[in-house]
Amino acid sequence: AQRVTQPEKLLSVFKGAPVELKCNYSYSGSPELFWYVQYSRQRLQLLLRHISRESIKGFTADLNKGETSFHLKKPFAQEEDSAMYYCALSNILTGGGNKLTFGTGTQLKVEL
Amino acid sequence: NAGVTQTPKFRVLKTGQSMTLLCAQDMNHEYMYWYRQDPGMGLRLIHYSVGEGTTAKGEVPDGYNVSRLKKQNFLLGLESAAPSQTSVYFCASRYTGATEAFFGQGTRLTVV
Repeated sequence: AQRVTQPEKLLSVFKGAPVELKCNYSYSGSPELFWYVQYSRQRLQLLLRHISRESIKGFTADLNKGETSFHLKKPFAQEEDSAMYYCALSNILTGGGNKLTFGTGTQLKVEL
Repeated sequence: NAGVTQTPKFRVLKTGQSMTLLCAQDMNHEYMYWYRQDPGMGLRLIHYSVGEGTTAKGEVPDGYNVSRLKKQNFLLGLESAAPSQTSVYFCASRYTGATEAFFGQGTRLTVV
């Protein structure tokens, strides 16, 4: 069965420090992975996806199939990065279609 | 362009009462999902739909029912609310394939 693991519930860093939010997954097929972000009192929104290999708001994430990881990184944290971050895996459903399996989330707090 | 809209935003129910949460999307998406978000547990899939007239169970379907009579609407029903169903409920929709999911703003439900 597919599973997404985010080992840290809370990550606190100082402004300007590097950030790494960890995500590990288990999936038997070829995974499609995403990072979603939820700012305070706002809806979840897509931050980035592994297939596009893009950098959004300074964040990057590389899929490492050998380590089954998709860690989210940013070299210099900003105060506005404080939010809840969810790693998600897209997988094929038995009845057709796709669903997103989410990790438990990591609350990032950037302190001044 | 409204995107994904959930109604209501907040609700307090007494144990045993019933209610329906409405999710509406105006993006002509095929897939729709209902998740619940609980502290420390991330987002867990309740039910999903891969098209008009079709629904299927997710990870935590007990105590909930759904209907997708129109492509743009996905209803989540609680027949007899229990305190364990106190949660924040999110609806999401997406096109076919591994594409971005768009989320509603959430419904905060408290069962007393």
